[in-house]
Amino acid sequence: SAVISQKPSRDICQRGTSLTIQCQVDSQVTMMFWYRQQPGQSLTLIATANQGSEATYESGFVIDKFPISRPNLTFSTLTVSNMSPEDSSIYLCSGTVSGSGHEQFFGPGTRLTVL
Amino acid sequence: EDKVVQSPLSLVVHEGDTVTLNCSYEVTNFRSLLWYKQEKKAPTFLFMLTSSGIEKKSGRLSSILDKKELFSILNITATQTGDSAVYLCAVGNQGGKLIFGQGTELSVKP
Repeated sequence: SAVISQKPSRDICQRGTSLTIQCQVDSQVTMMFWYRQQPGQSLTLIATANQGSEATYESGFVIDKFPISRPNLTFSTLTVSNMSPEDSSIYLCSGTVSGSGHEQFFGPGTRLTVL
Repeated sequence: EDKVVQSPLSLVVHEGDTVTLNCSYEVTNFRSLLWYKQEKKAPTFLFMLTSSGIEKKSGRLSSILDKKELFSILNITATQTGDSAVYLCAVGNQGGKLIFGQGTELSVKP
């Protein structure tokens, strides 16, 4: 398995501002992903974070709103830009560790509240 | 469109009961089905199933996959209050993405 950390663990932000969430894994992962979990709902994939190139976004998510970086195998960031209250969610990163098959392990999540 | 459907959406049982959670799916390029337990924030991994008919077991939890009928079940025997959580079923495709079901919220009463 992999140990995945995220920071911040939670934040309260004002409308119109941006927040960058960091995700660090303790071992090399083959794939990293970012998910959103809105209150009372299941997880929705935002994008696949690709090392050294642009992320691959799912339908309904765009780079201008959710820019993602992955400069190396063990680190990725997700920025939530120009936030509105509708962006209040838990944001989770996950990784698939090489050699583990394709189990996906999740970070502890970042609970974002936008006022 | 790929979809994963879990049932029931919520369940209340008493300690010692046995529960069965269901997950059905329609996903192109199926690779695996995964079960997670979510208590507060991060889902914690329980099982990954890739082959039909082979039961995976961990303590009081077990799971099995039927790739012909496109479903999986998660069984929990002798439930305890610590089993109270949301149980998530997710299907992985060949591209490595996970499609999640809505989750089953299990509440175990003492």
